[in-house]
Formats: sequence, C-alpha cells, structure tokens
Amino acid sequence: GQSLEQPSEVTAVEGAIVQINCTYQTSGFYGLSWYQQHDGGAPTFLSYNALDGLEETGRFSSFLSRSDSYGYLLLQELQMKDSASYFCAVRSYTGGFKTIFGAGTRLFVKA
Amino acid sequence: DTAVSQTPKYLVTQMGNDKSIKCEQNLGHDTMYWYKQDSKKFLKIMFSYNNKELIINETVPNRFSPKSPDKAHLNLHINSLELGDSAVYFCASSQELAGIEFFGPGTRLTVL
Repeated sequence: GQSLEQPSEVTAVEGAIVQINCTYQTSGFYGLSWYQQHDGGAPTFLSYNALDGLEETGRFSSFLSRSDSYGYLLLQELQMKDSASYFCAVRSYTGGFKTIFGAGTRLFVKA
Repeated sequence: DTAVSQTPKYLVTQMGNDKSIKCEQNLGHDTMYWYKQDSKKFLKIMFSYNNKELIINETVPNRFSPKSPDKAHLNLHINSLELGDSAVYFCASSQELAGIEFFGPGTRLTVL
C-alpha cells in the first residue's frame, strides 16, 4: 500500500527556521511534492523533488532522500502569513500517475 | 486570469438529491483530477483523467460519475447524496509527466 507520515502540528516563532519531515512508503515512486493550504483556501504548490538533494526556492527549501524514503520542507525567516497546513505528497505511477497526500502538518507561527 | 475554476463554490442540499460540480482549466494541461477533502483536512484523490480518458478511479462509489467532455473540462455528478458526502471537493490539473498540480478554489458540499 501507500502511506505518508508527517507531524500533525508544529509551532515556531516569527523569524525562526522550522523543518517539517515526511516519510513515505509507496510503489512506483516518481517524486515528492509539498503543498501549502491556508484555512478556507486551496492547496498551492511549493516544491517538487524527483532526485535526491536539496531544492531551494526563496525562503522555502525541500529535501529528498530516495534511499531513506524521506524528505523535509524547510521554512526560513518565518512570517505570520506562513501559518497554514503543509502537505507532503508522493507522486507515483501504477497504471497512471497519481498523487497521494499526507495528512498535513499544521504550522502555527507566533509573534 | 483564472487557472482552474470550479462552480459552484458552495452547495447545500438534502440527502437523496443529485448534484453536479463543474471544473475548467485554461492552463493547457492534459490531466485533470477530483479530490475530496474531509473535515479533518485529509485530501484524497478520487479520479484522474488524461486527455478525456479515465485513468484513476480510487474505489469511489458509483454514485459519483465524472465526465470529461474535453481535456479542459472535468465535471463531477453525484447521485443520491449521503451525509458522508459532505466535504470540500477540489478539482486540479497538471501536465501528466510534471509533478505540479494546480488546484481550483474548491466546492464546499453540505448534505443535510
């Protein structure tokens, strides 16, 4: 089967750095994505890792280790607007491409 | 410019009714999806279509029938609505080989 695990909640202060980990089990693995969702909004794409290593996009970075079935999202210089849910998602191919989402990590940023 | 749009944004209806949700994307993508997000924010894929052809059906009850008249549109019809169908339904699109999905604003369905 397919499964993803990520922490349910993380709290950090403005200006800090936070790391959200994700471990996964899947067949037909293609890549690991991260999405952000604010309350009442739609998921929005943050990053995608198909290969091992670190991808950096502004204040956000994402890391993947395929051999460890592990990835993380790193958020730097936290701002209040970063308070949201963050989903890791595995893209896999089993007869067709599909994306399986984790349960999400609720990030609270405090002043 | 709206990339992925859905209508309606809110849908409140009685048990047993039939309802439809429409989705359109203007990104030129070849693949479209329907997701269901429950009250605990768990996001689960229901269907995916590639170039109007059904690719993925994640053991969704056959009361749910997607239809793709062309690759820019994917509609969802739900028959005999049940209380458990209450959720937010998101349409999304992507290029098949890309790992990026673009989501519509969602349709909040409430079944009374």
